[in-house]
Amino acid sequence: DIQMTQSPSSLSASVGDRVTITCRASQGISHYLAWYQQRPGKVPKLLIYAASTLQSGVPSRFSGSGSGTDFTLTISSLQPEDVATYYCQTYDWAPFTFGPGTKVDIK
Amino acid sequence: EVQLVESGGGLVQPGGSLKLSCAASGFTFSASDIYWVRQASGKGLEWVGQIRTKANSYATAYAASVKGRFTFSRDDSKNTAYLQMNSLKIEDTAVYYCTRPVGPSHYWGQGTLVTVSS
Repeated sequence: DIQMTQSPSSLSASVGDRVTITCRASQGISHYLAWYQQRPGKVPKLLIYAASTLQSGVPSRFSGSGSGTDFTLTISSLQPEDVATYYCQTYDWAPFTFGPGTKVDIK
Repeated sequence: EVQLVESGGGLVQPGGSLKLSCAASGFTFSASDIYWVRQASGKGLEWVGQIRTKANSYATAYAASVKGRFTFSRDDSKNTAYLQMNSLKIEDTAVYYCTRPVGPSHYWGQGTLVTVSS
């Protein structure tokens, strides 16, 4: 089974900062990588799929990149409403494993 | 409007059984794979498994942690997917979500809480 890791596990940044979260797969998954945002007490929300395709309605400050084993989620200008935990997920071959999550706070 | 509504959660003793339902509306249910994801309180997301469409022979896949204990099924005439959970363990305590596959039509239900406790 493919294992997913994320770094960092948590971060604190100021409003307006550029934030980068990394996700790594234990083996190549091509572009079959999704990113989710889960605000406290809320249902997860799909932000990006196919590694870099922005889901409809998601602000353009979110972007994704990468292929193979290394992927990145970038928030170009952190906003207060971005406080959340972010998860990556592979959907190449079952099991569609999630990463452990990255908690993002405002400094 | 797309809706996925989970139901059937509750309190069950270790070793017991529970059957969850996921009622769908607003899209062609029979043409959609259905995934199940769970989240224990304060923990991360865990993919539980999936059931595919009739065109894909209703194929199922399970996480190692639930294989042999959980069973997915679906009734396309009722636009409903099911998760039968047997031999429940304390560590199965979580909110269980049904979701549509990753992509432009992705959607999550609100979840149903399953508590396994004596």
